[in-house]
Amino acid sequence: ETGVTQSPTHLIKTRGQQVTLRCSSQSGHNTVSWYQQALGQGPQFIFQYYREEENGRGNFPPRFSGLQFPNYSSELNVNALELDDSALYLCASSLEGTGGGYTFGSGTRLTVV
Amino acid sequence: AQKVTQAQTEISVVEKEDVTLDCVYETRDTTYYLFWYKQPPSGELVFLIRRNSFDEQNEISGRYSWNFQKSTSSFNFTITASQVVDSAVYFCALNLGNDYKLSFGAGTTVTVRA
Repeated sequence: ETGVTQSPTHLIKTRGQQVTLRCSSQSGHNTVSWYQQALGQGPQFIFQYYREEENGRGNFPPRFSGLQFPNYSSELNVNALELDDSALYLCASSLEGTGGGYTFGSGTRLTVV
Repeated sequence: AQKVTQAQTEISVVEKEDVTLDCVYETRDTTYYLFWYKQPPSGELVFLIRRNSFDEQNEISGRYSWNFQKSTSSFNFTITASQVVDSAVYFCALNLGNDYKLSFGAGTTVTVRA
């Protein structure tokens, strides 16, 4: 059973650019959630995807968007990057209806300069 | 709305000492799940324990134990006989029964010295 895989592991972007982060779900999981973790803080929920549709969203602006594919993998896109977007982005997969059995990936460390 | 508070920012202990991490949560829902996660320097959040709101039985799993008390909205976590490999950031998290997100506390950094 493979876990959650995220790519890339590290990324440096310039303010104003766009970025795409990728996540492969754990085998058997059909739901993907994305979290942003700023340095020294707890993860903050961005959104969740289930059956290729957004299933819930946290307090993040529309320039944060996502996709889920038929194989349950997912992308997080961030447009017009700002310096405050610098953070660890974590992907978590789960099986809908199982009361939160989340498996997290190791994250993508995004630095915006 | 829900909220998780971890009042301890950092804890430093010597190997073999016990470590207790405090967690206080707020929710008006009667159905919810509480979690503890460990985040080593590699960044991955590692699941440790989960408890639902209808089960206040406290258990021990290896060197881990927890104390869930609905009366005080607390879900404390103890590592017995700590080891250097236990050094990490520990997060308490809350998930409502039909909700889609985990609400995390700010985390407690645990340093175990040899």
